[in-house]
Amino acid sequence: DIQMTQSPSSLSAYVGDRVTMTCRASQGISNYLAWYQQKPGKVPKLLIYAASTLQSGVPSRFSGSGSGTDFTLTISSLQPEDVASYYCQKYNSAPLTFGGGTKVEIK
Amino acid sequence: QVQLVQSGADVKKPGASVKVSCKASGFTFTSYGISWVRQAPGQGLEWMGWISAYNGDTKYAQRLQGRVTMTTDTSTSTAYMELRSLVSDDTAVYYCARKATGQPPDYWGQGTLVTVSS
Repeated sequence: DIQMTQSPSSLSAYVGDRVTMTCRASQGISNYLAWYQQKPGKVPKLLIYAASTLQSGVPSRFSGSGSGTDFTLTISSLQPEDVASYYCQKYNSAPLTFGGGTKVEIK
Repeated sequence: QVQLVQSGADVKKPGASVKVSCKASGFTFTSYGISWVRQAPGQGLEWMGWISAYNGDTKYAQRLQGRVTMTTDTSTSTAYMELRSLVSDDTAVYYCARKATGQPPDYWGQGTLVTVSS
């Protein structure tokens, strides 16, 4: 099975900072990569699919890139409401494995 | 609007079974599949499996094979996930999520807390 590895596991940044996190697949998955945001105590929310397509209603400060095995989620200007855990997921074929997550906090 | 409404929290003893329901509305149920995901306290997301609401095809996570069964009732647009031989490590919030072919899960249920405790 393909493994999904996210880094870092946590990060802390100032409001307004540019934040980047990565997701690496152990084998190529083309662009079948989604990013989810989960705020504390809440349901996961789909942010990005097809590696770089923003889900409807998601603020434009979020962006995704990558293809094959290496993917990136960027928040261009971190906002207080972005405090959350972020998960990547492959969805080209079963199992639809998640990465371990990146927890984002405000300094 | 798309909604997935799950059954309420449950407490089970080790060795028992639990069945969580997920009632869909706002879309054509048989045009989608339903993924099930769980999250243990303080942990990440774990994909459990998927069922096609069109033809009942299923895919299960290897580590749950033999203990999990996913079904659908198209007459009520409801999906079910049954997990058997529960152990304390199965304590988690269980989510259902709508999934179209070639797309990731998009709309999620509110989650169902299952607690396994003697």
